[in-house]
Amino acid sequence: DADVTQTPRNRITKTGKRIMLECSQTKGHDRMYWYRQDPGLGLQLIYYSFDVKDINKGEISDGYSVSRQAQAKFSLSLESAIPNQTALYFCATSSAGEGTGELFFGEGSRLTVL
Amino acid sequence: LAKTTQPISMDSYEGQEVNITCSHNNIATNDYITWYQQFPSQGPRFIIQGYKTKVTNEVASLFIPADRKSSTLSLPRVSLSDTAVYYCLVGDDGVYNNNDMRFGAGTRLTVKP
Repeated sequence: DADVTQTPRNRITKTGKRIMLECSQTKGHDRMYWYRQDPGLGLQLIYYSFDVKDINKGEISDGYSVSRQAQAKFSLSLESAIPNQTALYFCATSSAGEGTGELFFGEGSRLTVL
Repeated sequence: LAKTTQPISMDSYEGQEVNITCSHNNIATNDYITWYQQFPSQGPRFIIQGYKTKVTNEVASLFIPADRKSSTLSLPRVSLSDTAVYYCLVGDDGVYNNNDMRFGAGTRLTVKP
């Protein structure tokens, strides 16, 4: 089983619908992140959380919200999806103060907004 | 202000050594240099990290000159499976936020037979 699990893996929805992408991890890491990737481009940080009571906006947080329900769970919501939010979304985790601070990514959630 | 600059793309052939250079002129004293590799439709994966001089692991080497204003990722004897996007990140160890450890566009490496 993957250490960082994202659901759903693929989702097609319509403009105006509310969508939630969920992420759970078994690595025991405090830090969790949501990234967005558009075709041919790098990753852009949407939101990040360094512990359960900590939520921070990333560089492209408009139109998104998050919830850190527990250390192991971090969900991303699109309250009213629009077509330009069509992208590949990645959840990631990292550990504070251990080793290299490596990011561990989920398998990605491909979202299409029609 | 971008913290890193790297070539958009590079081509190579199987069996060759590939060197990808990243510029980070404004690197801070506490910053580390970290490289990730990303295959299509997959999340990036960590390759190597260094602070100064040379670091080597089973996958790659990382060369960092004394002034730390640039770094070079070296991939020995590449194969077709090394075709991927390579990202250079600079920042405090383990802190990924709006200022540190940002993923830019990366370098798209294409390895040809």
